[in-house]
Amino acid sequence: AQSVTQPDIHITVSEGASLELRCNYSYGATPYLFWYVQSPGQGLQLLLKYFSGDTLVQGIKGFEAEFKRSQSSFNLRKPSVHWSDAAEYFCAVVVSGNTGKLIFGQGTTLQVKP
Amino acid sequence: NAGVTQTPKFQVLKTGQSMTLQCAQDMNHEYMSWYRQDPGMGLRLIHYSVGAGITDQGEVPNGYNVSRSTTEDFPLRLLSAAPSQTSVYFCASRPGQNYGYTFGSGTRLTVV
Repeated sequence: AQSVTQPDIHITVSEGASLELRCNYSYGATPYLFWYVQSPGQGLQLLLKYFSGDTLVQGIKGFEAEFKRSQSSFNLRKPSVHWSDAAEYFCAVVVSGNTGKLIFGQGTTLQVKP
Repeated sequence: NAGVTQTPKFQVLKTGQSMTLQCAQDMNHEYMSWYRQDPGMGLRLIHYSVGAGITDQGEVPNGYNVSRSTTEDFPLRLLSAAPSQTSVYFCASRPGQNYGYTFGSGTRLTVV
């Protein structure tokens, strides 16, 4: 069955350091991939998405992600983390394009040290 | 433009009670979904819809019913609440398959 795995449950980085959050998917065809961010007590906000084309996609708040088909990965990166980036991050995949079934990973909680 | 509106924001139910979580969007989106969020489990899809009159089951549909009589509304019904349904529920919508979902702010449900 299709699935999304975020291997890291919790990550702590220092403010100003670089960040990479991992996401692996299990899906036969080219998936539609997303990263969402959730601040405490809030809903989810879309950071970026990948459907096709350039494998490096830019999102909001200075985030980017790279689709690597050979590794079945879609890792999220940011060159310099700000304290306001502390939140929970979710990777998600549309299982098949025309059904709208969006499946989420378990999430990664990011803590930012001053 | 309100986006995706969920009501109520908080609810406490007794075991066996029924209720409906409301979800409305004013963006004319065809796709709508309901998720539940539990610690350490991410968001799990309960039911989804690709248009008025069309619904389908997600990963965890048992104990929940949905209907989609209009494009704007996608209510989620709990038939007989159980403590295992204590969770935060999110409704989401998107205009089509090449778009991301817009999420509501959630309903925190406690079943005692």
